[in-house]
Amino acid sequence: DVKVTQSSRYLVKRTGEKVFLECVQDMDHENMFWYRQDPGLGLRLIYFSYDVKMKEKGDIPEGYSVSREKKERFSLILESASTNQTSMYLCASSFGLVKTTDTQYFGPGTRLTVL
Amino acid sequence: GQQLNQSPQSMFIQEGEDVSMNCTSSSIFNTWLWYKQDPGEGPVLLIALYKAGELTSNGRLTAQFGITRKDSFLNISASIPSDVGIYFCAGLDRQGAQKLVFGQGTRLTINP
Repeated sequence: DVKVTQSSRYLVKRTGEKVFLECVQDMDHENMFWYRQDPGLGLRLIYFSYDVKMKEKGDIPEGYSVSREKKERFSLILESASTNQTSMYLCASSFGLVKTTDTQYFGPGTRLTVL
Repeated sequence: GQQLNQSPQSMFIQEGEDVSMNCTSSSIFNTWLWYKQDPGEGPVLLIALYKAGELTSNGRLTAQFGITRKDSFLNISASIPSDVGIYFCAGLDRQGAQKLVFGQGTRLTINP
C-alpha cells in the first residue's frame, strides 16, 4: 500500500513564525504536491515537484516555499505565517510521467491554525 | 487556475437511497479521479478512469468517464451511514504539468 505521512496532524503557530510542514512517501514516487483545503474552495495547489531539487509553482504559491532535498521528502515552508494561512494542508504523491497509473495519493493532512 | 464544476454541493438523503453527483469542465481531461474525504482525514482514491466512455465499478460505487472527456459522474447505490463525507472529482491533464484539477466537492449527509 502507498503511504504518505505528514509530520503533524494539528499545529498552532503565531503570526510571523516560520513554519515547516513535512511530508514523506514510501513508494519511490517522482511527483509530490502540496495543497491547501478551505471550506467552499476545494483543494488548491500550492507547489509541486517532479524530482529532487525541482519545484514548480501551483495556483497559490504566494507566502509559501518548498524544499525537496530527498526523493521521499517534500517540505512546505511558511516563511512568516499569517492568519489567512490557517487551513488544512494536504500532501500528495504520484508516479512520474512514464507511468500510466498517475493517480495521486494523499496524506492525512495537517490542520494549521495561525493565531 | 482551472476548476471543475461539481454538483451538487451538498446532499441530504435517507439511508438506502441512491446518490448521483457529477463534474463538468470546459477543458478536456485524460484521466478522471473520484476521491472521498472523511472528516479530519486526507482524500482517499475511490475510482480512477483512464479512457473516454469507460464505466468502472468499485462495490456500490460506479463512475463513468464522459465521451467528450469533459465530464464524469459518480453513483453510489443503496447508501449506508459510512458513505458520509465529502466526495471530490479531479481531472488530470497529462500534457505537461501532471497537475490535478479538483472540483469543489459534494458533501453527503445521510439520515439513518
